[in-house]
Amino acid sequence: DTGVSQDPRHKITKRGQNVTFRCDPISEHNRLYWYRQTLGQGPEFLTYFQNEAQLEKSRLLSDRFSAERPKGSFSTLEIQRTEQGDSAMYLCASSLERTNLANYGYTFGSGTRLTVV
Amino acid sequence: LAKTTQPISMDSYEGQEVNITCSHNNIATNDYITWYQQFPSQGPRFIIQGYKTKVTNEVASLFIPADRKSSTLSLPRVSLSDTAVYYCLVDSNSGYALNFGKGTSLLVTP
Repeated sequence: DTGVSQDPRHKITKRGQNVTFRCDPISEHNRLYWYRQTLGQGPEFLTYFQNEAQLEKSRLLSDRFSAERPKGSFSTLEIQRTEQGDSAMYLCASSLERTNLANYGYTFGSGTRLTVV
Repeated sequence: LAKTTQPISMDSYEGQEVNITCSHNNIATNDYITWYQQFPSQGPRFIIQGYKTKVTNEVASLFIPADRKSSTLSLPRVSLSDTAVYYCLVDSNSGYALNFGKGTSLLVTP
């Protein structure tokens, strides 16, 4: 397994266009997370899945943001009608399910850097 | 949710030991303490995790006092390649980490 893969690495889009990013997690990890990171800040949580179920999505920045994980494997994050403020690094992470007995750290991908012009 | 406070930046020379302390006064019983390292244009990378006392792995040690209100990441004999941002994360095992804070930017010079 080569870790968490994200595609594309870079995306430049015009304001108002829709963009979609893909994340392939570590295969045995059933949890998948999306974070956004802006310059000088740490990653900020957006949403996460356990298998195909999206367990938390209230932190998605607006209704223009949506995420899917249709078969519990790869995930996509879509931003509709992009705005310049959406410019950021979008990070995907995966982990094993965390239980009362074990807390597993996140394995992050290298991110997709979005620039909205 | 436990809030963390760590220095914004630190400087060190190559070969020195670096200790980065993180305060987390309202840590909850179920919370673990995890440290991540991030290089520019990469995602954070897991360094070490602990619940209490001391944890050591091949790259770092983590010291957690009995009250768990703080933790110290210790990097022995740093090299130039340890220049990075280090995040202290306190989160429970039940969900997700809300945000990583601003981290500590470590600069190692010759």
